[in-house]
Amino acid sequence: DTAVSQTPKYLVTQMGNDKSIKCEQNLGHDTMYWYKQDSKKFLKIMFSYNNKELIINETVPNRFSPKSPDKAHLNLHINSLELGDSAVYFCASSRGQGGFTEAFFGQGTRLTVV
Amino acid sequence: GQNIDQPTEMTATEGAIVQINCTYQTSGFNGLFWYQQHAGEAPTFLSYNVLDGLEEKGRFSSFLSRSKGYSYLLLKELQMKDSASYLCAAKPGRGAAGNKLTFGGGTRVLVKP
Repeated sequence: DTAVSQTPKYLVTQMGNDKSIKCEQNLGHDTMYWYKQDSKKFLKIMFSYNNKELIINETVPNRFSPKSPDKAHLNLHINSLELGDSAVYFCASSRGQGGFTEAFFGQGTRLTVV
Repeated sequence: GQNIDQPTEMTATEGAIVQINCTYQTSGFNGLFWYQQHAGEAPTFLSYNVLDGLEEKGRFSSFLSRSKGYSYLLLKELQMKDSASYLCAAKPGRGAAGNKLTFGGGTRVLVKP
């Protein structure tokens, strides 16, 4: 069973389109994240939710909107896609917030905007 | 601000030892993670250090010096499957802020026969 699964794995779309990436975890974790990994391989946090509540919102354009319908799901919707949005987006989850909180990552969604 | 530095790439021979260094400057610190990421795959957890010293886990060990803002990951008896990127990440604090890991750019390790 996949612990953190995200779909789709690959997404190629044109500039200006709106797209969504879905993420689900079956680990019973209460904290979920979206990370962006750019071409230089830096992983940067975008959002974090704890029990469906947004707790981290980095400096991300408001074209990016996360939604957490329940604590097992965290989806990412992107409006008006731009070329610079091309990257690999990773969903992750962890148990709790304090102390040792190892994050489990999904397989990533490679987004290419053309 | 947050800054994590690690070498971009290292090459080593199968069976050898490689040490990947990581220096960090963060406002607030509550531990350091190492993750392994094979090309095209998800990062997977390797180790977590919060106290000074060496943590050993089989062929992999991780060291932390909080006073020096320094960590290293030691890979022993290298195998071909160890060819991957190794990401250093600092945990800034507890609670909600503690979730905001700052990652380095990763060190790509190439193991040659």
